[in-house]
Amino acid sequence: EPEVTQTPSHQVTQMGQEVILRCVPISNHLYFYWYRQILGQKVEFLVSFYNNEISEKSEIFDDQFSVERPDGSNFTLKIRSTKLEDSAMYFCASSEARQGDYGYTFGSGTRLTVV
Amino acid sequence: GQQLNQSPQSMFIQEGEDVSMNCTSSSIFNTWLWYKQDPGEGPVLLIALYKAGELTSNGRLTAQFGITRKDSFLNISASIPSDVGIYFCAGHKYGGSQGNLIFGKGTKLSVKP
Repeated sequence: EPEVTQTPSHQVTQMGQEVILRCVPISNHLYFYWYRQILGQKVEFLVSFYNNEISEKSEIFDDQFSVERPDGSNFTLKIRSTKLEDSAMYFCASSEARQGDYGYTFGSGTRLTVV
Repeated sequence: GQQLNQSPQSMFIQEGEDVSMNCTSSSIFNTWLWYKQDPGEGPVLLIALYKAGELTSNGRLTAQFGITRKDSFLNISASIPSDVGIYFCAGHKYGGSQGNLIFGKGTKLSVKP
């Protein structure tokens, strides 16, 4: 079964440092997403990406965040200057078409710990 | 922000028992999705519902899209230990964007053998 792959599985970083979280979506999927889940809380939408541009972003996705599809397979989330409150599980997801039609496939997540 | 009210927050049941959980909202939703999350993993889609009144099964799981389009339930029959995990409802709000899947806070299921 095709998978969404995320690396690293766990990243510890110092406050103020930049981090890049990496994702390889399913190969024939066209829509890509980042969600985050603070420990013990619900999953929250960050950003959606289609046709090499952001299609929507939430209030959480401020100027410190950016996404990029640097090549044909990777999809990255960058946090420029991490804060303690950025500590969370970050999930990448992809879908073949509009998510209303098919739902998502999520990756296993990257646990980001900011110290 | 938009709220999905999911209940119960947690359940402790005996193996073999049936389970029921639900989500409600004050807003109309176009789709309802039910996910399961195991510890340290991402959510895995269990059932997707696209039409009001739709009733869909996936093995021992059954879910329904409420006719008012403001609620959905998930039933698990004859629970087994591997059903343990957190179950999330999620949906797309009517008139909302395609990018923003709204999640409930989850129901944590524990099954005693």
